[in-house]
Amino acid sequence: DAKTTQPPSMDCAEGRAANLPCNHSTISGNEYVYWYRQIHSQGPQYIIHGLKNNETNEMASLIITEDRKSSTLILPHATLRDTAVYYCIVSRLMDSSYKLIFGSGTRLLVRP
Amino acid sequence: DADVTQTPRNRITKTGKRIMLECSQTKGHDRMYWYRQDPGLGLRLIYYSFDVKDINKGEISDGYSVSRQAQAKFSLSLESAIPNQTALYFCATSDPGLAGGLALNEQFFGPGTRLTVL
Repeated sequence: DAKTTQPPSMDCAEGRAANLPCNHSTISGNEYVYWYRQIHSQGPQYIIHGLKNNETNEMASLIITEDRKSSTLILPHATLRDTAVYYCIVSRLMDSSYKLIFGSGTRLLVRP
Repeated sequence: DADVTQTPRNRITKTGKRIMLECSQTKGHDRMYWYRQDPGLGLRLIYYSFDVKDINKGEISDGYSVSRQAQAKFSLSLESAIPNQTALYFCATSDPGLAGGLALNEQFFGPGTRLTVL
């Protein structure tokens, strides 16, 4: 199973871009990269996912390197409400469904 | 109203007691999941279900059982609770599909149940 490596914590200033890195060097060709976040002890919230190409939605952008061994989640204009734990997950196919394996994540602190 | 609800939100119980945690969803999803989260760690999958009466073990199913009697409900039971089952428990739902050619599997999580076993 592909594992992910994320820095345990990061911080950024409010209004600036937050760039959260993730290494997944053992990812296989059919595995997706998902990002979720968890604010305090609430249920995790889906942010974005991708396979090969860069993706963008209303919340964030996902940049995946060409060799797919790493990715970066970009929050273009971080706000205080973006303070949370961010999980990078490589989703593997199991029993005809994609199963999410959560690691320890990156704790992002957005400073005023 | 929340799409995924969990009851109770908090529960304190004693070692050896039987506990049931309930999850209900109004999203109409076929797939439901139970996770547990220990302090400072990510979520770990306990059981999951792709349809009514379908049950599959996750990473850490020992000491737990589940029941899926209806599409909207998925319950988790601890037959004889022990202190190391003290954790935050989350239910989630998903609907498999494609979005822009990508497999979806976005999971929607409930608010969690904080369980303490003394």
